[in-house]
Amino acid sequence: NAGVTQTPKFQVLKTGQSMTLQCAQDMNHNSMYWYRQDPGMGLRLIYYSASEGTTDKGEVPNGYNVSRLNKREFSLRLESAAPSQTSVYFCASSEERGFEQFFGPGTRLTVL
Amino acid sequence: AQSVTQLDSQVPVFEEAPVELRCNYSSSVSVYLFWYVQYPNQGLQLLLKYLSGSTLVESINGFEAEFNKSQTSFHLRKPSVHISDTAEYFCAVIQSGGSYIPTFGRGTSLIVHP
Repeated sequence: NAGVTQTPKFQVLKTGQSMTLQCAQDMNHNSMYWYRQDPGMGLRLIYYSASEGTTDKGEVPNGYNVSRLNKREFSLRLESAAPSQTSVYFCASSEERGFEQFFGPGTRLTVL
Repeated sequence: AQSVTQLDSQVPVFEEAPVELRCNYSSSVSVYLFWYVQYPNQGLQLLLKYLSGSTLVESINGFEAEFNKSQTSFHLRKPSVHISDTAEYFCAVIQSGGSYIPTFGRGTSLIVHP
């Protein structure tokens, strides 16, 4: 099992460009999550999907959109990147909400 | 809204010394508690969890944490640390009866010196 995979690992964007971060899990988990990690701020939830077909906003959803493509895949889109979105992005999944989460290796994004 | 406080942003210790990483939360209802570890340039991975039952939980690599309901704490301890324990440690809390989405603390960087 690969667990949770994320692509790309690194990305540099210019202000105003768009991109999609991809996430997939092979553990048949129902719930998936997108976090951003900034120094001294811990992990902040951007969006989550409790089950296939549903998505909900987290603590910091502004500037992002998500798509739960199927049970395995949960993508995060930045429509018009801003320097404030420079961060490390983590995707996670869990069997259900309330269960332990399994994290991907992260995507390091820099917006110039 | 619940909150999680990790009082120490950085804890430096010498190898083989004991360590305690502190975690306090604010919630008046039942909670599920987790400690995650993040090694450099990696994602988080579960270290241990408390869901119910015994208030003392242990991990396979020698860490333990004790749920103290009256103190609303879930401190992480290890009697003798190794260089390989150098990592970022995150406490997370899930409040039962709510969204069941975890709230994470800001993390504690454990630095083990030889």
